[in-house]
Amino acid sequence: DTGVSQDPRHKITKRGQNVTFRCDPISEHNRLYWYRQTLGQGPEFLTYFQNEAQLEKSRLLSDRFSAERPKGSFSTLEIQRTEQGDSAMYLCASSPPPTSGRTDTQYFGPGTRLTVL
Amino acid sequence: AQTVTQSQPEMSVQEAETVTLSCTYDTSESDYYLFWYKQPPSRQMILVIRQEAYKQQNATENRFSVNFQKAAKSFSLKISDSQLGDAAMYFCAYRSSQGGSEKLVFGKGTKLTVNP
Repeated sequence: DTGVSQDPRHKITKRGQNVTFRCDPISEHNRLYWYRQTLGQGPEFLTYFQNEAQLEKSRLLSDRFSAERPKGSFSTLEIQRTEQGDSAMYLCASSPPPTSGRTDTQYFGPGTRLTVL
Repeated sequence: AQTVTQSQPEMSVQEAETVTLSCTYDTSESDYYLFWYKQPPSRQMILVIRQEAYKQQNATENRFSVNFQKAAKSFSLKISDSQLGDAAMYFCAYRSSQGGSEKLVFGKGTKLTVNP
C-alpha cells in the first residue's frame, strides 16, 4: 500500500510567480486535506475534499490560493502571485471512507517545501 | 474554536528511559478524537497513537501510551524504553467528531532529543 505522495518535494520561486503543487492520496482514500506548516509551528489546516467536492476552507486560504480535486483522485494546490510569507511546507494528507477504515485518521505525505525569494 | 497547547517546546531523555510529553486542549464538544503524530527531521509526519474521547481506556501502542484525562482536557504521551529513533518533533492534534469539520488542530510541537 503506497503512501501519500507529493510533487515537487522542493520549489524555489520568485515573488510574484505562480506555483502549483500536486498530491496523490493513498489509493481508495476519498478524503484529502491540505495543511501549511511554517518553521517551528504545527501544521495549519487549509482545505479539505471529500471525493471531488471541496467541503471546508480555512480563512488562511486567501483568494490567491486555489485547490482542486477534479476526478476525486489527485489534488492540486495553486498559489498565485506568491509572496515571501507563503514560504512554508505544504502538507497533504488523506483518509479512508468509513467502510474501509478509520476515517478519522489522516495519513500525511512528505510535503512540498516552498521558498519564495 | 478548539485550541491545542503543548507547553514543552523541547524535552530530552536518556536512551532506555521513560519520558512524558504534555498536551492540553480546549473544546466545548463532548465527542472528539485526539492524536499524537511524530515528525522526524526532514521526514514525513506519521501517526503514533489515537484516542477516541468517548473511550475511558487509555490507548496503547507498543512503547507508546497516553494518559487521557477528559475532565482536565489533558492528553499526555508516555514513551517507554526510549530509543534513538524516537528523536523527532511530536505534535498533539485534535479532531472534532461533530458538526462536519474534519480538520486536525495541532499544537506547536515538542522537540524530543534522545541521548545515548
